[in-house]
Amino acid sequence: GESVGLHLPTLSVQEGDNSIINCAYSNSASDYFIWYKQESGKGPQFIIDIRSNMDKRQGQRVTVLLNKTVKHLSLQIAATQPGDSAVYFCAERGINNQGGKLIFGQGTELSVKP
Amino acid sequence: EADIYQTPRYLVIGTGKKITLECSQTMGHDKMYWYQQDPGMELHLIHYSYGVNSTEKGDLSSESTVSRIRTEHFPLTLESARPSHTSQYLCASSGPNLAKNIQYFGAGTRLSVL
Repeated sequence: GESVGLHLPTLSVQEGDNSIINCAYSNSASDYFIWYKQESGKGPQFIIDIRSNMDKRQGQRVTVLLNKTVKHLSLQIAATQPGDSAVYFCAERGINNQGGKLIFGQGTELSVKP
Repeated sequence: EADIYQTPRYLVIGTGKKITLECSQTMGHDKMYWYQQDPGMELHLIHYSYGVNSTEKGDLSSESTVSRIRTEHFPLTLESARPSHTSQYLCASSGPNLAKNIQYFGAGTRLSVL
C-alpha cells in the first residue's frame, strides 16, 4: 500500500547551519507533496509544496527537492534558527486524489542548538 | 494564518462519557478532515468530508462519528469514551483547488480519558 516515511526520527543541528530533512515515499504515482512544520502544542503548519512535474522549488530559506527516480523528497532549511525547532512531516497525495486526501510520514524532530 | 478553530484545546474525562470535539473554519472550504495523532507520531486520517452532508471514514478505523450539516462546522463525537481514545485530534480543511491541496490545521484537541 501507499506509505510515506522519513529516514531519521531526530536531527540536531547548530544554529546557522543548513538542515536537510529526508522523506521516502512508496507510491510512484503520487502527484503532489507537502512539507509541514509542527511545533509543540500546535497543529501542523504548511511550509512548502511541490508537484510531481517539478524537481525543485524554493521558498523563503527553504527548498524542497523531489527525486522521482528513487522516490525521495527532501526539505532543506538554510541558516537554521532556534525557531525552526519542530517536528517536520512530509505528506503525499495519490494520483487518484480521492478528494484531496494526504498520507503523512512519520515525522523528523529537528533540534537547533544555539 | 489559517482560520480554523478547535475546542476544547484540552479535555480530561472519565470512561463512558459522551464527548463532542468542535471544529470550525471561516475560509469557506468544502473539504474537511479529522486526524488522530499520538505524541511524536504521524497523523492518521479518521474522517473526512467533501462538503455538506458528505462524510467518509478515513484510513484508520475509529469509533468516533462526524457530521457535516454546515460548511463551516465539522464536529467529532465519541458516544462512550475509553482510555484507548486518549490522543490528540487534529481538524483540517482545504479548498476546491485540487492542483494545490494544502490542508490547513487547527491547533488540536488533546483528549485524556481516565
